[in-house]
Amino acid sequence: DGGITQSPKYLFRKEGQNVTLSCEQNLNHDAMYWYRQDPGQGLRLIYYSQIVNDFQKGDIAEGYSVSREKKESFPLTVTSAQKNPTAFYLCASSIQLSLAGDRDTQYFGPGTRLTVL
Amino acid sequence: SQQGEEDPQALSIQEGENATMNCSYKTSINNLQWYRQNSGRGLVHLILIRSNEREKHSGRLRVTLDTSKKSSSLLITASRAADTASYFCATDNQGNNRLAFGKGNQVVVIP
Repeated sequence: DGGITQSPKYLFRKEGQNVTLSCEQNLNHDAMYWYRQDPGQGLRLIYYSQIVNDFQKGDIAEGYSVSREKKESFPLTVTSAQKNPTAFYLCASSIQLSLAGDRDTQYFGPGTRLTVL
Repeated sequence: SQQGEEDPQALSIQEGENATMNCSYKTSINNLQWYRQNSGRGLVHLILIRSNEREKHSGRLRVTLDTSKKSSSLLITASRAADTASYFCATDNQGNNRLAFGKGNQVVVIP
């Protein structure tokens, strides 16, 4: 899991509540990402940030929000507008670009499993 | 959007055998990466192969890339029970500033 941490490991939420998932990295990486993973599925990109104070929507941003006020931190808020939030959420970080000018490897946190009751 | 598509989806082999997985993609890429995920955990990077490379090795892993066929393969030689995991390919697409992950290949190595 490298130098990237996520908390909590398990999170339970009642319908209609907003919850915030934490992601912190000490790798001095510029780029950070949030993915959602459903059972037996691959990763779908929710939001990503290439630099502090900037972020872009991924493929499934509806019902989610993020902030990037510090380089080390990229919290994800799952809002009540997200229709089916129960999933495994993964945060990742990477150097913006490798020396070769392409996307470098991503380092993943251990994940947060969110369950809506 | 998901670009990488792994084939086969699930693979069960005996310890000591080789395991081969394939990944296909649709658009031009800068590089292709393979990741491993143990159940309920985060992904771990295994190997990266750039578009101008055809083959790369790392320990018991061998990755090939055929840009004309837009496909890649991951070979795990002399498999061990500890290799049991899901394996994902991810493409860094030209003109797109993010990775696109496939749906994953579940590999079970029977001791």
